[in-house]
Amino acid sequence: GNSVTQMEGPVTLSEEAFLTINCTYTATGYPSLFWYVQYPGEGLQLLLKATKADDKGSNKGFEATYRKETTSFHLEKGSVQVSDSAVYFCARMEYGNKLVFGAGTILRVKS
Amino acid sequence: DTGVSQDPRHKITKRGQNVTFRCDPISEHNRLYWYRQTLGQGPEFLTYFQNEAQLEKSRLLSDRFSAERPKGSFSTLEIQRTEQGDSAMYLCASSLLPQGSTGELFFGEGSRLTVL
Repeated sequence: GNSVTQMEGPVTLSEEAFLTINCTYTATGYPSLFWYVQYPGEGLQLLLKATKADDKGSNKGFEATYRKETTSFHLEKGSVQVSDSAVYFCARMEYGNKLVFGAGTILRVKS
Repeated sequence: DTGVSQDPRHKITKRGQNVTFRCDPISEHNRLYWYRQTLGQGPEFLTYFQNEAQLEKSRLLSDRFSAERPKGSFSTLEIQRTEQGDSAMYLCASSLLPQGSTGELFFGEGSRLTVL
């Protein structure tokens, strides 16, 4: 069926380390893809998005590239900070402008 | 604050009681969504409205659940005869359609339900 699969966490990194959170999806066609972030005690916020194949979304030093060949949308950041500690959700859009989310990946960054 | 607001933020109830959650979307947004999130999982779609019309309901939305958006502004989600399995975070989101190409949903902070 149509779904979004993320790597399991928690992911624990030291400050300034390189981050990758894997995300793959199954879908009919080429849906828009998103990364949302949930900081402690806050609501979900859009981090970045890509609406078509080969698009690269970027924001706050995070990047993700829409790869239709591998049906992936991996999230990367070159140098993480303690303030990046949060839960990250990969999502794809389907009919009705609804989002289908992955299970989320907890990121913990140590100073 | 002009974001999506939800009330109450926390609700503890006994099994069998009815509960109601309210969502106030961003004022000009015509689409409103309800999601449910359980621990360790991503949000799951429940239902959505365009203005006052409820356009889709998930199979997750049993007949004990009802949602309304009577004037196309705020929405309520009522759960009747609550069960322990209803314990979750209930999220509301809104968006503007036509939204151009963004498709961005703006989420509230959620209403956490605990059924004892």
